[in-house]
Amino acid sequence: DAMVIQNPRYQVTQFGKPVTLSCSQTLNHNVMYWYQQKSSQAPKLLFHYYDKDFNNEADTPDNFQSRRPNTSFCFLDIRSPGLGDAAMYLCATSSDRLSNQPQHFGDGTRLSIL
Amino acid sequence: AQKITQTQPGMFVQEKEAVTLDCTYDTSDPSYGLFWYKQPSSGEMIFLIYQGSYDQQNATEGRYSLNFQKARKSANLVISASQLGDSAMYFCAMREGRWDTGRRALTFGSGTRLQVQP
Repeated sequence: DAMVIQNPRYQVTQFGKPVTLSCSQTLNHNVMYWYQQKSSQAPKLLFHYYDKDFNNEADTPDNFQSRRPNTSFCFLDIRSPGLGDAAMYLCATSSDRLSNQPQHFGDGTRLSIL
Repeated sequence: AQKITQTQPGMFVQEKEAVTLDCTYDTSDPSYGLFWYKQPSSGEMIFLIYQGSYDQQNATEGRYSLNFQKARKSANLVISASQLGDSAMYFCAMREGRWDTGRRALTFGSGTRLQVQP
């Protein structure tokens, strides 16, 4: 089945130690998103790729970076994680060809900071 | 100002009964889409139903229907015949603009936690 896959499902890292979260998709969607979701809150958009064009949200900290080496893969890099970065990170994809298409989400990566 | 407002932090419903989850939105764009997602405790976001701003009829998907009142800017989700597996967080979300405007991110409401009781 076509889907969005996030790895790992759970990630534990140390304060200040760089960490990378990955997302892959088999939907061939041209838009990929990264959201941060803290406990009992709505998902908050960090950035998205429209094809190869990177679009950063104005309030996304510089500590968060992203890479999209090809259509199928997208990575979220946190350069120096702080305790406040502990959250669920959700990857999503969509296609711009039909306006009524929902975003398809992966199962998320739950990040803990020690 | 919040673009998506969900005023019910938590809701309880008896199994087999219907429940309405409220959502109001704010946009000046004539073209927009409204989405409902379900998020169980395991964390994945599951798409439920979509309503476009130009759609004449209310959307329905199985036990889910959307009560779309455009003039009031509301898009309430109705779940009929609730099941225990419906217990989850429910998010209303909006995407503004035409499909070709480039920005296609969703703006989410704060969510409603639904608990279905046996």
